[in-house]
Amino acid sequence: GAVVSQHPSRVICKSGTSVKIECRSLDFQATTMFWYRQFPKQSLMLMATSNEGSKATYEQGVEKDKFLINHASLTLSTLTVTSAHPEDSSFYICSAGQGAVLAFFGQGTRLTVV
Amino acid sequence: AQSVTQLGSHVSVSEGALVLLRCNYSSSVPPYLFWYVQYPNQGLQLLLKYTSAATLVKGINGFEAEFKKSETSFHLTKPSAHMSDAAEYFCAVSGSGDSWGKLQFGAGTQVVVTP
Repeated sequence: GAVVSQHPSRVICKSGTSVKIECRSLDFQATTMFWYRQFPKQSLMLMATSNEGSKATYEQGVEKDKFLINHASLTLSTLTVTSAHPEDSSFYICSAGQGAVLAFFGQGTRLTVV
Repeated sequence: AQSVTQLGSHVSVSEGALVLLRCNYSSSVPPYLFWYVQYPNQGLQLLLKYTSAATLVKGINGFEAEFKKSETSFHLTKPSAHMSDAAEYFCAVSGSGDSWGKLQFGAGTQVVVTP
């Protein structure tokens, strides 16, 4: 089946620095990818829709200048957390669909800002 | 708009017993519904999906779910729990129109399997 790879799986960074997370579709082309955030013991919340070749669409309440999304190719979307702070510590997960109804998820990235 | 409600944040079952996880949905259009499983510090794995075909959907690892429009439900079951079924389970509904492909997740149900 379709596979989505996310990297890194775990990252620790200092407050004020930026962190880039990659999401790749390994065996299919994804014109659209989605980025979710999951706080401990909570569900996934959609942050933004990443569109290949165009600007990302952010959900209400998500700061687009803090969470920069780039979808430069049909197999790669990146999420950059800029000027990270401890409250940005979370589990970030991407997904990509093969066709309209399937969503395959990456392994997730555990971000810890110290 | 679509939404899902999972009844019960924690479920404890004995090994070999029936697993039943409840999910009710709200949707203004025919929904696409999903069940995912998540192990600690991992992404989500698709268990099964309903896409307006057969109402009884069989998934991986012995799980199945039945779509009941009259009850707006999509409950997940497994006849006999294994220790390896201990995980977090999420029900999700797909958006429509401009929201196509976006998933709205339920709050999740933590399953504990006891020997």
